[in-house]
Amino acid sequence: SQTIHQWPATLVQPVGSPLSLECTVEGTSNPNLYWYRQAAGRGLQLLFYSVGIGQISSEVPQNLSASRPQDRQFILSSKKLLLSDSGFYLCACLLPRRGRDNFNTEAFFGQGTRLTVV
Amino acid sequence: DAKTTQPNSMESNEEEPVHLPCNHSTISGTDYIHWYRQLPSQGPEYVIHGLTSNVNNRMASLAIAEDRKSSTLILHRATLRDAAVYYCILPTYGQNFVFGPGTRLSVLP
Repeated sequence: SQTIHQWPATLVQPVGSPLSLECTVEGTSNPNLYWYRQAAGRGLQLLFYSVGIGQISSEVPQNLSASRPQDRQFILSSKKLLLSDSGFYLCACLLPRRGRDNFNTEAFFGQGTRLTVV
Repeated sequence: DAKTTQPNSMESNEEEPVHLPCNHSTISGTDYIHWYRQLPSQGPEYVIHGLTSNVNNRMASLAIAEDRKSSTLILHRATLRDAAVYYCILPTYGQNFVFGPGTRLSVLP
């Protein structure tokens, strides 16, 4: 079965410091991968998605970047964190379900990283 | 992804059934309807999904309108642990996977 590993679970970083959050997927190959951010009491905001190695689509202009160096690895980075980067960051993968229907998908989420920029 | 519309919040009493509605009037013929829920401080978890027929699993039931422009997630007996944000989504493989604000369900003891 598919598993998403996301770390660290919590992180406190000073303003201006760099960031690197890593997400790895087990149990599948060629997944679609996603990074979301959730501010306190708010909904899930899609930040980046990737359909393959080296392929990144950005949904929202911001202080963050993403990379996919390997098929099952997705990294979220920042060179200099801002206070507004605080939030709950979630990695997710979207996979086609087994069967003849290519439109049937299933999403899996990591446990999230709670980032506090101070 | 096709757009979905859900009420911002709903309230239910414990042990009573809950019907969570979702409108998706622009759904395409190949879009599956998915429901996920997010408990506090956790990532969303899968609840149920369907295409045309009503679906049942151990967590919930999904009732899909005949024209597929709306669906209803049914929790048969709400418990305090069902308090969460429920998302109705129509994900398309190979495209972005966007969540709306969802419905925040409160369960009263």
